[in-house]
Formats: sequence, structure tokens, C-alpha cells
Amino acid sequence: NAGVTQTPKFRVLKTGQSMTLLCAQDMNHEYMYWYRQDPGMGLRLIHYSVGEGTTAKGEVPDGYNVSRLKKQNFLLGLESAAPSQTSVYFCASKSGGLAGGSRFFGPGTRLTVL
Amino acid sequence: AQSVTQPDIHITVSEGASLELRCNYSYGATPYLFWYVQSPGQGLQLLLKYFSGDTLVQGIKGFEAEFKRSQSSFNLRKPSVHWSDAAEYFCAVGDGSGNTGKLIFGQGTTLQVKP
Repeated sequence: NAGVTQTPKFRVLKTGQSMTLLCAQDMNHEYMYWYRQDPGMGLRLIHYSVGEGTTAKGEVPDGYNVSRLKKQNFLLGLESAAPSQTSVYFCASKSGGLAGGSRFFGPGTRLTVL
Repeated sequence: AQSVTQPDIHITVSEGASLELRCNYSYGATPYLFWYVQSPGQGLQLLLKYFSGDTLVQGIKGFEAEFKRSQSSFNLRKPSVHWSDAAEYFCAVGDGSGNTGKLIFGQGTTLQVKP
């Protein structure tokens, strides 16, 4: 049982390049989330999914796209990276049911856009 | 709109001293409240959570938090801090409506522990 894993752990991009971050969970959770963490800002929600085939925008969705084709995977895409997207990205998952249920966070992906 | 405020960006305490980290929230109904800890270079670990019932919640690593509805607060406490508690701490409120499970995080408080 690996919990929530994120690939890659580190990445450096040049402005305008694209990439996809992969989040995988093996707990059969319905809900998955992508957050970004910036100094002094806490974690801010980018996109989330309440089930396979569904996605929704969070607080800061601009410049990102997501897909949830399989229940266990939640992909975050940057089509044309910008320096403002330099951040640490965290994925999380939660089982369905009560809004207060436990969330499990991945170890994070540190992305630098030059 | 929901929001969470952690008034203290940085706190320094001596090892063995007591600790209180402040958290204030804005939410219309009864909130779901959480405290997470993040060690350098690591992900987030849940310390404790409040849904309902007893307003004093016990967590892992000797932490506790008290929900005070009248003050819209959910402060984290520990009676005696250990050097290994140095980390960043986040308070969060859960979206109880619409069953999206979203969390709104505070800005975080960095705890430094002096020997």
C-alpha cells in the first residue's frame, strides 16, 4: 500500500514548455486534489475531482488542465509553463462520504520554470 | 467565503516550553477543522481534526486543539515542545457544503525550536 505517489519529484522547465504531473493513489479514493504551495500563501487548490471522469476548478486554475481517466490517477498538465508556475505541487486523495474525512497527501513535486 | 487566518508567520520557542499556534476561520456553518504539519521537504501529515462533539481534540505527537465557536478559533497547543517539532504548521477548514471535500488552508506558521 503506497498511499499517494507523485511523479516526478523534481523538474526544471523553460518558459513555454509543457509537462504533466502524475498523481496515483492505491486506496480506491473517490476524491482527488491538486494544490500548489508557495511561501507565505499556504496551499491553494488548483483543480479537483470527485470521481472518475469528473474534474472541477479550484481557487487558482488558470494555466493548468487536469484529467481523471482512471479512478486511481489524477494528472495535472501545464501546456505552456510560465515562471509564475514555479512552485511545489501536492496531490491529495480522500474517500467519499463525510466532508471531514481524512485526506492523504503525496510527497510533492518541486517545479522550477526558468 | 470560507477563509483561514494564521496570525503568526513565525514562532520561536525554547525546547521544553509550551506552545500555542493560533488559527481563526471564517465559515457559515459548523466547520470541519484540521491541523497539518510539514517537515522540510516533506508532504503534509495530519495532526488532528475536529468534526463535532467534544471541543478539545487530541492528536498525534502530544498535540491538542480546542474549537471555540464564539471566537471562531481552533488553536493548536502542546505542553512541552521537542526539537523535532520544528516544522511548518497549517490550519485548514473543510468545505462542508456540496460534498466536494475541498480544504482551505491558512498561510502557515513556521515553528523554530531553540535548544
